[in-house]
Amino acid sequence: SAVISQKPSRDICQRGTSLTIQCQVDSQVTMMFWYRQQPGQSLTLIATANQGSEATYESGFVIDKFPISRPNLTFSTLTVSNMSPEDSSIYLCSASREGRDTQYFGPGTRLTVL
Amino acid sequence: GQQLNQSPQSMFIQEGEDVSMNCTSSSIFNTWLWYKQDPGEGPVLLIALYKAGELTSNGRLTAQFGITRKDSFLNISASIPSDVGIYFCAGLSGSARQLTFGSGTQLTVLP
Repeated sequence: SAVISQKPSRDICQRGTSLTIQCQVDSQVTMMFWYRQQPGQSLTLIATANQGSEATYESGFVIDKFPISRPNLTFSTLTVSNMSPEDSSIYLCSASREGRDTQYFGPGTRLTVL
Repeated sequence: GQQLNQSPQSMFIQEGEDVSMNCTSSSIFNTWLWYKQDPGEGPVLLIALYKAGELTSNGRLTAQFGITRKDSFLNISASIPSDVGIYFCAGLSGSARQLTFGSGTQLTVLP
């Protein structure tokens, strides 16, 4: 398994501002992912964070709104840009290792936009 | 895109009872995963299934990968209060590395 931490655990932000969420894995992993979970809903994949190249975004998510970095095999960031109340959600990062399909999740970042 | 139909949406059971939930899809999956999410936490992996027909246990939990590769179920035996939470199935297909998640089953265990 992989131990994943996220910072911040929660935040309350003003409309129009941006927030960067950090995800740290305790060991090198092949794949890292970012998900959004809206209140009472399931998880929706935002993007796959690729090490050394641009992230791969799912339909409905764009780089300008959710820029992602992955500078190495243990760390990634997700920025939620120009936030609106509709961005209030839990944002989760996950990771999986080479040759393994199982994904392990961080504790999530609970974001509230006023 | 792919969709997973997870049922039931919620369950209220008495402590000590067994519970079963399942996921079905119109598409074939190569891997099925079952997660539990407690309030304010991220999903925690319970069981991973990699082969059609596979039956895997983790303590009181048992999950099976359907032989058609389009469904999976999770059973919890002799439920206890700490089993309360939301259970999600998730599937992985083809060469895609992205998981598709079910809508979740909210489990409540009554004393």
